[in-house]
Amino acid sequence: NAGVMQNPRHLVRRRGQEARLRCSPMKGHSHVYWYRQLPEEGLKFMVYLQKENIIDESGMPKERFSAEFPKEGPSILRIQQVVRGDSAAYFCASSPALAGVYNEQFFGPGTRLTVL
Amino acid sequence: TQLLEQSPQFLSIQEGENLTVYCNSSSVFSSLQWYRQEPGEGPVLLVTVVTGGEVKKLKRLTFQFGDARKDSSLHITAAQPGDTGLYLCAGRLTNAGGTSYGKLTFGQGTILTVHP
Repeated sequence: NAGVMQNPRHLVRRRGQEARLRCSPMKGHSHVYWYRQLPEEGLKFMVYLQKENIIDESGMPKERFSAEFPKEGPSILRIQQVVRGDSAAYFCASSPALAGVYNEQFFGPGTRLTVL
Repeated sequence: TQLLEQSPQFLSIQEGENLTVYCNSSSVFSSLQWYRQEPGEGPVLLVTVVTGGEVKKLKRLTFQFGDARKDSSLHITAAQPGDTGLYLCAGRLTNAGGTSYGKLTFGQGTILTVHP
């Protein structure tokens, strides 16, 4: 009964390095969402993807951030040239489909990114 | 401006007391979900409500969706120390055409502490 898997759980990067966060959705789920949780703040939506398609990236910063969900393999959230303000917990969620009012999203354990 | 206002932000009570957490918005949601999050972990889905006026019960937890689908509440009866955690409400917005967006909009969260 594998849930949403994320790795690494903890990631430390120095300013200017790249961070790659991976997410494998629940079995049978084809929709992936990335959220960011900053200290003392709630979860903020970043991007919504289906296989090989970005559906909604309205929450993504305009620069340095990108996301993909290839036909094979996990979804990747990539942060280039990290800065201290990128330090946060990044959560991935998955759902089976958008159709239907329930569209329940199930979350992974998160990746805690620390930028030194 | 917070689209989903969650209150209270902090709640500290004694074991056996009852409590209610509120989630309010001026926007209509096609569905609303309640999550619980433990430190260092991802949010865990507790319930989804989709119909205006809907009430769902999960043991000592009662969830209600407002008639206009703009607000929700979580009521816990006879709280126990094991209920301690961060409670989050999250909704899927509906646009003027009635289409639901995939992303979830989260409230700021309520940190509940139940003392033995």
